[in-house]
Amino acid sequence: DAGITQSPRHKVTETGTPVTLRCHQTENHRYMYWYRQDPGHGLRLIHYSYGVKDTDKGEVSDGYSVSRSKTEDFLLTLESATSSQTSVYFCAIRPGRSYNEQFFGPGTRLTVL
Amino acid sequence: AQTVTQSQPEMSVQEAETVTLSCTYDTSESDYYLFWYKQPPSRQMILVIRQEAYKQQNATENRFSVNFQKAAKSFSLKISDSQLGDAAMYFCAYRSARENTGFQKLVFGTGTRLLVSP
Repeated sequence: DAGITQSPRHKVTETGTPVTLRCHQTENHRYMYWYRQDPGHGLRLIHYSYGVKDTDKGEVSDGYSVSRSKTEDFLLTLESATSSQTSVYFCAIRPGRSYNEQFFGPGTRLTVL
Repeated sequence: AQTVTQSQPEMSVQEAETVTLSCTYDTSESDYYLFWYKQPPSRQMILVIRQEAYKQQNATENRFSVNFQKAAKSFSLKISDSQLGDAAMYFCAYRSARENTGFQKLVFGTGTRLLVSP
């Protein structure tokens, strides 16, 4: 257990509405990541953070923004949700530069109607 | 760009038997890391085993071992003495050893569903 929680765990929303997903970690890890999981694609990186206020885009960042104002929280925002953003979203942490692996939160299932 | 291919969408094994899941990857880098993650029905992503490309010795974690063939760019997972609790999706993943921004991501395969029968 890497001390990662995600909220909400499930959400149903309508097209065009903004949505924010929260990832919270308790161990002050520097690196945090947001992935989405879709059938036939495995997991794909949306955005990641390498420190407070330091973020960068991943391979599927269009339509998403992130913020990290505190070490423990990494927020993912869908500015105007679309049906193509229906997915399972995973947050991950990497304990530090000496670690190569990432550890995942429990996931958030988002449905956009 | 790196890619990871898992060509077996589904595999079946009986309890106590051994099964091997295949993974190949494509990269021009010489230093990288490879992982196998397990995703049971609970949806949690669980790290099973890791391999550093600079190490020739294959990684082993209890009943799980890998066959790492760097020249062939192959990274298969062997599960020995299969148990009902091993039933899950298994994902192979690659990460560059470079620390620059833009190289942090894990690149995943599409997964192999493992079915375990009594």
